[in-house]
Amino acid sequence: GENVEQHPSTLSVQEGDSAVIKCTYSDSASNYFPWYKQELGKRPQLIIDIRSNVGEKKDQRIAVTLNKTAKHFSLHITETQPEDSAVYFCAAYRGYQKVTFGIGTKLQVIP
Amino acid sequence: KAGVTQTPRYLIKTRGQQVTLSCSPISGHRSVSWYQQTPGQGLQFLFEYFSETQRNKGNFPGRFSGRQFSNSRSEMNVSTLELGDSALYLCASSSEGNLNQPQHFGDGTRLSIL
Repeated sequence: GENVEQHPSTLSVQEGDSAVIKCTYSDSASNYFPWYKQELGKRPQLIIDIRSNVGEKKDQRIAVTLNKTAKHFSLHITETQPEDSAVYFCAAYRGYQKVTFGIGTKLQVIP
Repeated sequence: KAGVTQTPRYLIKTRGQQVTLSCSPISGHRSVSWYQQTPGQGLQFLFEYFSETQRNKGNFPGRFSGRQFSNSRSEMNVSTLELGDSALYLCASSSEGNLNQPQHFGDGTRLSIL
């Protein structure tokens, strides 16, 4: 089955700095790669996604890059703010919403 | 549009009992997926339903089952509960399409097994 490795498991950055989280997947059939943000006690929320036919996507301070050959994708957050503090999950989808999630990265933005 | 609604929000059961959780998707969404979230294992896929049919299943024992009704509402059942079933159970819905579509999560049902 699919295996998704996510690094790092925790990340602390100073406010205003950039944060990068990386995920590696194993199944070349995976074709959809979203990132979710989950604040404590709340539901996961989609923040950005990318499909396998695209190499990069950006939405304001957030960007995702995909390297299909190497089977890895990364989340980039620039100009981090305290409200960016949360757990971030990557995911790799294939088939009918069959998904494997990364273990999560706890991001702490220090004011 | 109302979001994904899960009931109940909290549930306490004892070992050996069974439980049924409910999920109402966003209006118009016909795909409903269920997930188990625990601190140790993270988010794990249970199964996905579309038009009352289970299309995909994760690696969980047969004690975990589900169904979907004609109005797209879905229920998940866990029989013979074990301590390890304590978790947050999330459902998510998405619109139909040939490609995987973004999923919208509910707030979850927190199940505690005593």
